[in-house]
Amino acid sequence: QVQLVQSGAEVKKPGASVKVACKASGYTFITYYMHWVRQAPGQGLEWMGLINPSGGSTTYAQKFQGRVSLTRDTSTSTVYMELRSLRSEDTAIYFCARTDYYESSGPASDFWGQGTLVTVSS
Amino acid sequence: DIQMTQSPSSLSASVGDRVTITCRASQSISRHLNWYQQTPGKAPRLLIYGASNLHPGVPSRFSGSGSGTDFTLTISRLRPEDFATYFCQQTYTPLALTFGGGTRVDIK
Repeated sequence: QVQLVQSGAEVKKPGASVKVACKASGYTFITYYMHWVRQAPGQGLEWMGLINPSGGSTTYAQKFQGRVSLTRDTSTSTVYMELRSLRSEDTAIYFCARTDYYESSGPASDFWGQGTLVTVSS
Repeated sequence: DIQMTQSPSSLSASVGDRVTITCRASQSISRHLNWYQQTPGKAPRLLIYGASNLHPGVPSRFSGSGSGTDFTLTISRLRPEDFATYFCQQTYTPLALTFGGGTRVDIK
């Protein structure tokens, strides 16, 4: 069965960086793009970017350009999200999401990780 | 970026009720619209893709409709497990996805 297992909660100081892991299993890792979405406490969902695990190409939401990096390790079927220069507003749950692509309607995230809480506090 | 506006932001309903949630896009997105359900403490779950296609395993009481700028998610007969928050997501710009603000469905 498809599973996405994310690394544990992190507490960081403002200005620091965080790297969250998302380990995939139960399917062919390079076949599906991986998207990242975050959710601040009590707020909605915010799309951060995507990575093609096959070639490693990435696209980031404009808001996070220059501050986020998505990478992958095909040997362990793991995708990583690194966010730099953290500020208090980055406190959120970060989700990875396997994303399928439909010819007629584009991407849809059909499996999600359990989420990783990142707390930014001095 | 394409803005997605959901209404209402919250609603109260009873088990067995028919519930309709609306999502409006700031420009035409054809049928490039997904719906997700999220219960507290859990990750979102895909319900509908392409405006009206039920994701495998999703109960048939959920349905989606619409095209262009206006879309609806309908739950025909609300069950206890349906009390959750629902989000729409536009995929018309696949490299700049955006979500609606969410609609919370509470027990009346």
